[in-house]
Formats: sequence, structure tokens, C-alpha cells
Amino acid sequence: AAGVIQSPRHLIKEKRETATLKCYPIPRHDTVYWYQQGPGQDPQFLISFYEKMQSDKGSIPDRFSAQQFSDYHSELNMSSLELGDSALYFCASSLQGAGKNIQYFGAGTRLSVL
Amino acid sequence: AQSVTQLDSHVSVSEGTPVLLRCNYSSSYSPSLFWYVQHPNKGLQLLLKYTSAATLVKGINGFEAEFKKSETSFHLTKPSAHMSDAAEYFCVVSLSSNTGKLIFGQGTTLQVKP
Repeated sequence: AAGVIQSPRHLIKEKRETATLKCYPIPRHDTVYWYQQGPGQDPQFLISFYEKMQSDKGSIPDRFSAQQFSDYHSELNMSSLELGDSALYFCASSLQGAGKNIQYFGAGTRLSVL
Repeated sequence: AQSVTQLDSHVSVSEGTPVLLRCNYSSSYSPSLFWYVQHPNKGLQLLLKYTSAATLVKGINGFEAEFKKSETSFHLTKPSAHMSDAAEYFCVVSLSSNTGKLIFGQGTTLQVKP
């Protein structure tokens, strides 16, 4: 079965650069979530979208923005990167309605800021 | 506010012996509770979920968890550990709301010794 696809899997950037992470949800899933997992930390919720509208916002820095497109894929844009942004970024998708709380995760994008 | 506390940051068992990973939750609502597993350098995989149906939940790979409202616990168990079970385990709670964002526990590292 198709899973959540994230690209790229690895990304190396320098301080003050920008980065764009992409997420392709499971087909027919209408909700996308972004999480950040720092080294040795548990994942922290950043932001979510339902039907292309932002549905919730967590501890996402103002330097980051995200959106969901008409084909339901989502992109997380990160600007003015800092060393502390180095982390594993997960995308998850779900389907609203029965079982809507079941989120399926991608393999993650590992961002290293040098 | 919703939260989860994993009582052990590290658990070590011998192969073939039982596994117990402890989790307590705090929720003002009827929670949805999950256990996810993360193998090294891998994404998050759903082991099992509780969504107010049967209190004893069976998951993949022989894992199960019991929801105990009186104890606000959702401990994860397995009768016999395999070497392949070595990984990081997260207890997770979700608000029963439209956003569905997940709140993760701090994680428990399971070590399985030969």
C-alpha cells in the first residue's frame, strides 16, 4: 500500500539559508501534519492542514511557513536557518471522519544546518 | 491539557522475556491513545491504538496495551521479546477534536539482550 512520501530524505544547509521540505500524503488522505524531532527528543507538532486550510498550529517558528496544495501535498518552507533547526522533520497524513486520529508517518527528512 | 508520561526512559530485557513499557496519560476528555515505534534512522510506525472501544488493544508484532481509566494508564506489553523489537517507543495522546494533533511522550528505549 502507498505510504506517506517525504523528500528529500536528507538535506544539508548552511546558516541563514532556506530549505523546502515536501510531503505527499497517502492517496485520498485530506489532512497533513508536520512534526519536528530534535536529537534525542520526542516529536513536536508544528502545523497541520485540512483541505488546504491551516487547521492547527503548534510550536512553529515565524521563520517557517507551510501550505497544502490542491493535490493535497504539502511543503514546509524554512528561512534564515539556524543551527538549532537541525532535526528530523516528519510529515503524517490522515483521513477525516471515522478513524481520523490515526496518523501515518513518512520516513522523515533529516535536516542538518552547518 | 493533554499529556503523556512514559515512566521509563530506558528498559533492558533479555530475548524471550516479557516486555513492559509504562505510560500514564492526563486528559480532560476521552483520549485517543497510541503507541508508535521508531527504529534507528527510521520513521514512526503505528503499533496500536485505543479509541474508546475495547480496553485491551492488540497491535502488530505481538504487542498489546490495556487502557485503565482508573489508573490513567496505557502500558504496552509483549509476552516474549525479540531482538528486532529493540527500538524507541512513544506513547501518544490525541485530542478528540478536528485538529487531531498528536502529543508524544518522552520515549522509552527498549534494549533486547541475547
